[in-house]
Amino acid sequence: GAGVSQSPSNKVTEKGKDVELRCDPISGHTALYWYRQSLGQGLEFLIYFQGNSAPDKSGLPSDRFSAERTGGSVSTLTIQRTQQEDSAVYLCASSRGLAGLYEQYFGPGTRLTVT
Amino acid sequence: AQKVTQAQTEISVVEKEDVTLDCVYETRDTTYYLFWYKQPPSGELVFLIRRNSFDEQNEISGRYSWNFQKSTSSFNFTITASQVVDSAVYFCALSDGSNYQLIWGAGTKLIIKP
Repeated sequence: GAGVSQSPSNKVTEKGKDVELRCDPISGHTALYWYRQSLGQGLEFLIYFQGNSAPDKSGLPSDRFSAERTGGSVSTLTIQRTQQEDSAVYLCASSRGLAGLYEQYFGPGTRLTVT
Repeated sequence: AQKVTQAQTEISVVEKEDVTLDCVYETRDTTYYLFWYKQPPSGELVFLIRRNSFDEQNEISGRYSWNFQKSTSSFNFTITASQVVDSAVYFCALSDGSNYQLIWGAGTKLIIKP
């Protein structure tokens, strides 16, 4: 079976533009996570989906960030009016259940550069 | 509050040396889970192990071993006879099992020199 895929792998955008990052989780995985990783840093939790619902969006850095998940599968993370501080690698992970109980499978990430 | 500390920011050893990565955690829960993930230069994090708080037996998987000691709140990871392919950033993480979030350590960058 295929692993978690993310697209695009790299995105360079100008400050102020909107970007959409996509995540295709492993089929059948009900839980989906978005993380942000700045250069040389640890993982910053952004949002978690159980099915299509996001019980907690408090990890999103600002109201410029939003995410949705449709059909219990694909998820899109949207950043509006990008800023240079948004530059980072955005990682998606899926699991069979809560991350606290089940291993997470990570995608390769999307490297976002805001110029 | 829960916390995970990986005090070693970077470790560099020569191939075939043994190396231990430290992980110290803080939690008030009696039931919790500890994880190790590996992030190679390619960037994709890979799950290595999950350990629950009721199982203090050490785990060995090939050249990898994990030492879980509740008395010192540590879950250390040892690589025996290190190889260049072991070069990666290693993350330790903690969960209470009921939460959807893991508490991640800052990671330890391991460099294995040939």
